[in-house]
Amino acid sequence: AQKVTQAQTEISVVEKEDVTLDCVYETRDTTYYLFWYKQPPSGELVFLIRRNSFDEQNEISGRYSWNFQKSTSSFNFTITASQVVDSAVYFCALSEVGRDDKIIFGKGTRLHILP
Amino acid sequence: SQTIHQWPATLVQPVGSPLSLECTVEGTSNPNLYWYRQAAGRGLQLLFYSVGIGQISSEVPQNLSASRPQDRQFILSSKKLLLSDSGFYLCAWSGRGGSMDIQYFGAGTRLSVL
Repeated sequence: AQKVTQAQTEISVVEKEDVTLDCVYETRDTTYYLFWYKQPPSGELVFLIRRNSFDEQNEISGRYSWNFQKSTSSFNFTITASQVVDSAVYFCALSEVGRDDKIIFGKGTRLHILP
Repeated sequence: SQTIHQWPATLVQPVGSPLSLECTVEGTSNPNLYWYRQAAGRGLQLLFYSVGIGQISSEVPQNLSASRPQDRQFILSSKKLLLSDSGFYLCAWSGRGGSMDIQYFGAGTRLSVL
C-alpha cells in the first residue's frame, strides 16, 4: 500500500541554521511521483517540487534542495540558511501512475524558524 | 494563468445547520477537482475528487457530499453539520495529466461548527 511518513512532527531551529525535513515513502509501483508542498500560516498549500521515480538527480532551487534516494525510499528536503519566512508546515506527498490521479500526503512537519 | 477561488474564507455554523462551500477555477478547462479536509494539527484528508461534470468519487463516508454542476465549479455540501465537521477545507485542481500532475490549492475555508 502507498504511504508517506514524515517522522518529524515539529522542528525548531534558529535563523540561518540549515534544516532537513525527512520523508520516507512506500509504494509497490515502479513509476510514481513525489511532491513537496509548503503551508504557511495563511493556510494555502504552495507547490514546491515534483520528482518522478526515474529521476534521482538532486535538485537545488536557491536555498532549497531535495535529496531523492530510491534505495532508501526517501525524498528529503533541506533548507539552507533558514529564514523566519520559512516557518510553515511542509508536506511530502506521493502519487502513483493509474491511481485515479490522487496524491497521498504525509502528516506534515511543522517548522519553526526562531529569530 | 490559472487561478482557484474558494469561499468563504471563514465560516462559523451551528450544529445541524446546512453547509455549502464553493470552489471555482479560472484559466483552464476540464480540470480534475478535489476537496480536502485538514483537522487541527493534522494532515490532509481527501474527501472527494471529480474528473468531470457530474462525476464525483467519495473517499470517506460521512455526512458531506460534493457536486460539480459546471466544468470549473466544485461544491461541498452538508444537510446537517456535526461538531466533527470542523476543520480547514481546501479545494484543489490539477490538469488531466494523471498522477504526474501537480495539484494547486485554493486559500481554504476555516469552518467552525459550534
